[in-house]
Amino acid sequence: AQSVTQLDSHVSVSEGTPVLLRCNYSSSYSPSLFWYVQHPNKGLQLLLKYTSAATLVKGINGFEAEFKKSETSFHLTKPSAHMSDAAEYFCVVSDQGTYKYIFGTGTRLKVLA
Amino acid sequence: EAGVAQSPRYKIIEKRQSVAFWCNPISGHATLYWYQQILGQGPKLLIQFQNNGVVDDSQLPKDRFSAERLKGVDSTLKIQPAKLEDSAVYLCASSLGTSGWNEQFFGPGTRLTVL
Repeated sequence: AQSVTQLDSHVSVSEGTPVLLRCNYSSSYSPSLFWYVQHPNKGLQLLLKYTSAATLVKGINGFEAEFKKSETSFHLTKPSAHMSDAAEYFCVVSDQGTYKYIFGTGTRLKVLA
Repeated sequence: EAGVAQSPRYKIIEKRQSVAFWCNPISGHATLYWYQQILGQGPKLLIQFQNNGVVDDSQLPKDRFSAERLKGVDSTLKIQPAKLEDSAVYLCASSLGTSGWNEQFFGPGTRLTVL
């Protein structure tokens, strides 16, 4: 069965410094992987998705993620954090059989001025 | 394009009362999902519809939760009677289809508080 593990429940960075949010997945098949962001009182918004094309995926707002099969990882990065990046981030794997979304437990990103 | 609409945005009820949530998906999206997101956790799928048929309701507590999608468009999720542990945000999402490449679009959610 597919699963995802988000390794940090909270991450704090200073504005202008790099962001790294870590996600490991477990899948018997070639997975579809997603990163979503959830701002307070807002719906989930797709940042980027990996669907077996390029392993380096670029998303919105300067975020990108690299699919590493050997490490079963799909970490989210951004070169320079902005105050508006403060939010909850979810790593998601799509179950290969049913295509159900399986969410990680989330990482809350705090950006310090 | 208009996004996924949900109402109400907030609801406070007492335990054993009933409550209903409404969702209007993006036009043309055949697949509709209801998720429950408990504070501090990721969303958990409750039920998935393909047009007006149920694809997966394995995680839906059927003794108290029910959902329908009339005419394959709007959907309602009902809880009767509510328990304290039902306090959560209920998210509706829709997608064009059900393949792993289909992005799900989420509504803003309904925050339910059961007292």
